[in-house]
Amino acid sequence: NAGVTQTPKFQVLKTGQSMTLQCAQDMNHEYMSWYRQDPGMGLRLIHYSVGAGITDQGEVPNGYNVSRSTTEDFPLRLLSAAPSQTSVYFCASSYSAKRVDTQYFGPGTRLTVL
Amino acid sequence: KNEVEQSPQNLTAQEGEFITINCSYSVGISALHWLQQHPGGGIVSLFMLSSGKKKHGRLIATINIQEKHSSLHITASHPRDSAVYICAVSWGQFYFGTGTSLTVIP
Repeated sequence: NAGVTQTPKFQVLKTGQSMTLQCAQDMNHEYMSWYRQDPGMGLRLIHYSVGAGITDQGEVPNGYNVSRSTTEDFPLRLLSAAPSQTSVYFCASSYSAKRVDTQYFGPGTRLTVL
Repeated sequence: KNEVEQSPQNLTAQEGEFITINCSYSVGISALHWLQQHPGGGIVSLFMLSSGKKKHGRLIATINIQEKHSSLHITASHPRDSAVYICAVSWGQFYFGTGTSLTVIP
């Protein structure tokens, strides 16, 4: 199993550009989520999904969109990048949304918005 | 407002020392998680616990539900233990502490 994969590893954008961060898992996990990690702050939840076709907002959803058309994939879209979105982004998954379970994290995407 | 508080924020130890990292939380939880993040690297789950104590190699995690407190202990610390250790709690969603940066000096 590849586990949770993310692409790209690094990205530089200009203000106003849009892009999609890719996330995929091959463990047939129900629950997938996106976090951002900023210096001095804990990981913060952006959006999450409890299954294909179901998504919901987390703590910091503004400026981001998600969709979950398959169990495996959970892309994160930046609609119009802003310098405040400079961060490290992690995708994570766990087996079930209904019970407490270990989360598996992707390697992260380091995004810089100029 | 931060539901999860960790201490200390930074910790430097000599190789071989016994290390303790603390985590306090302010809400009811389903489980508490300890995660490890190496410099430039990804995040790995070390423990998930809802009561008592768990041990894996030189790492021990304990939780006191009544006091809403957990500790992560590292026995006989080694330079390869240098990493950021993150406490997280889950009740529906996950909420994370800001992490404890550990450096173990040879």
